Amino acid sequence: KAGVTQTPRYLIKTRGQQVTLSCSPISGHRSVSWYQQTPGQGLQFLFEYFSETQRNKGNFPGRFSGRQFSNSRSEMNVSTLELGDSALYLCASSLKAGGPGNEQFFGPGTRLTVL
Amino acid sequence: GENVEQHPSTLSVQEGDSAVIKCTYSDSASNYFPWYKQELGKRPQLIIDIRSNVGEKKDQRIAVTLNKTAKHFSLHITETQPEDSAVYFCAAILFSGGYNKLIFGAGTRLAVHP
Repeated sequence: KAGVTQTPRYLIKTRGQQVTLSCSPISGHRSVSWYQQTPGQGLQFLFEYFSETQRNKGNFPGRFSGRQFSNSRSEMNVSTLELGDSALYLCASSLKAGGPGNEQFFGPGTRLTVL
Repeated sequence: GENVEQHPSTLSVQEGDSAVIKCTYSDSASNYFPWYKQELGKRPQLIIDIRSNVGEKKDQRIAVTLNKTAKHFSLHITETQPEDSAVYFCAAILFSGGYNKLIFGAGTRLAVHP
């Protein structure tokens, strides 16, 4: 099976712009979670989608949003970009919503740089 | 609040020594504790996990222990090798709004010196 894929892999934007990141889960996986990874903050949970519904949300401002499509592919949008949004954005998929035994498989990430 | 604390943030050992990374969690209802390894420039990958009904789990040179009473869990790597050098993340499932979410520790950068 193909692994989790994310596009684009690298992105450079300027402050104030918006960006959309895409994640395609492993075939058959219905849950997609998004994380922000920065050197000082580790892996910060953004949100989780399951069956096109947001099931959980982390402590991020409303500028961060997402959605999931019927084929389980997910997109994450960040509006009005700030310098502090520069990070590696990882998505992870699992068969079901997060829980024991539902191993999360990570994609390669999208590295976003905000200038 | 929702929190997983991980210590130490950096760990340096000689090849062949053991390495121990410790995590504590805040939600006593948590029942699943995975550990991820992230090599430089690569994605995190699950290396071992443990459920709350088990106190210890081993997989070759890697073991994880869980103390539910103290809300502690630890990763033990024996006979370390240079290829064990990576950042290790612990995580705990937290229940929020009726659904589960995975909360990660801040990570431990392990360096194994030949």
